[in-house]
Amino acid sequence: KQEVTQIPAALSVPEGENLVLNCSFTDSAIYNLQWFRQDPGKGLTSLLLIQSSQREQTSGRLNASLDKSSGRSTLYIAASQPGDSATYLCAFGSNDYKLSFGAGTTVTVRA
Amino acid sequence: DGGITQSPKYLFRKEGQNVTLSCEQNLNHDAMYWYRQDPGQGLRLIYYSQIVNDFQKGDIAEGYSVSREKKESFPLTVTSAQKNPTAFYLCASSISTTTANTGELFFGEGSRLTVL
Repeated sequence: KQEVTQIPAALSVPEGENLVLNCSFTDSAIYNLQWFRQDPGKGLTSLLLIQSSQREQTSGRLNASLDKSSGRSTLYIAASQPGDSATYLCAFGSNDYKLSFGAGTTVTVRA
Repeated sequence: DGGITQSPKYLFRKEGQNVTLSCEQNLNHDAMYWYRQDPGQGLRLIYYSQIVNDFQKGDIAEGYSVSREKKESFPLTVTSAQKNPTAFYLCASSISTTTANTGELFFGEGSRLTVL
């Protein structure tokens, strides 16, 4: 069973600083990974989807990388803003319909 | 607008009662899912459905039931057999029907169930 770990559980940074969020997994036989954002009491919003054949994906200030050999994915958020405050979750798709989720990293960007 | 609609947003239940959570999508997606989220834990899969009239148990199906009579609808019933039902429930869908890849997952806004 895929184990997914996100460290740290919480992070607080001043506005303008770049954010680096880490996600590690135990099974290298992944098919894709997704990064999601979740605001308090809300559902998940998909940010980026990386297929196993890709190394990274970019959308605006967001960049996600995938390194299957080391079992890691990293989400970079450039020039953070208070509106980036949320919980960020990663999830890995394996050879079935199930996604394995991490517990998330809660980010606070201080104005 | 296309999306996933969950209702109700908040639900209170007395012990021993069954409750049904609604999930409707107009994205024309084949696959639909139900997840449970507890504080400090990752999402856990309850049930999923790849096609109408077919569904499979996820990792924590005990005490739950589902149906998939229409492509756009995937209701979840939390039965009295579920020992710890208080949680945040999330419905999701994806377009992929291949068995090897879930495709991009889209979520509803969630339903918070509290057992009194």
